[in-house]
Amino acid sequence: SQELEQSPQSLIVQEGKNLTINCTSSKTLYGLYWYKQKYGEGLIFLMMLQKGGEEKSHEKITAKLDEKKQQSSLHITASQPSHAGIYLCGADWVNDYKLSFGAGTTVTVRA
Amino acid sequence: DGGITQSPKYLFRKEGQNVTLSCEQNLNHDAMYWYRQDPGQGLRLIYYSQIVNDFQKGDIAEGYSVSREKKESFPLTVTSAQKNPTAFYLCASSYDRGRKAFFGQGTRLTVV
Repeated sequence: SQELEQSPQSLIVQEGKNLTINCTSSKTLYGLYWYKQKYGEGLIFLMMLQKGGEEKSHEKITAKLDEKKQQSSLHITASQPSHAGIYLCGADWVNDYKLSFGAGTTVTVRA
Repeated sequence: DGGITQSPKYLFRKEGQNVTLSCEQNLNHDAMYWYRQDPGQGLRLIYYSQIVNDFQKGDIAEGYSVSREKKESFPLTVTSAQKNPTAFYLCASSYDRGRKAFFGQGTRLTVV
């Protein structure tokens, strides 16, 4: 979706290191969603953010939504091989009901 | 168990033939979505439906058609007008905007 810019496109991280993925919207967000995908499979829901300034964590993954509700980041602490995969941000907007996704970030974790 | 089911997992068709991909959910969700994913790319929205008997075009609707006659079902037809139909297709459903979407396991369509 051109409305959602996700970066980086891919990244390689050494096991135990941290990583951050960014997602920027061209419009004011209603909801921002983070998913993980293994290639060729369906998406697994990670977290949803709706309120400006909101931050959620699950195990070693933290997601934040900025105050203006136009940018989110996903941060993984002390990465493990199980964190490898494709991370996608999705969003719906204040004046639009469609659910669109960014281009995804492929994460590789090296031992 | 409640969930969203796509069938078949793999589908092969000859060029010029229409093909219909199935998507069924028993989650009582109002909204349903169809996406296309190409290698190394994210999800691109084909069609979405917020309610029975109503649907809207997404970003890449050309060459595709859908119907939403029942709440549980949202089939996608890939027509012969779709110039490059070989791709991985994903279906999703949710209660409404602002609620997380659940995804099927996808259908890999190969047109030869």
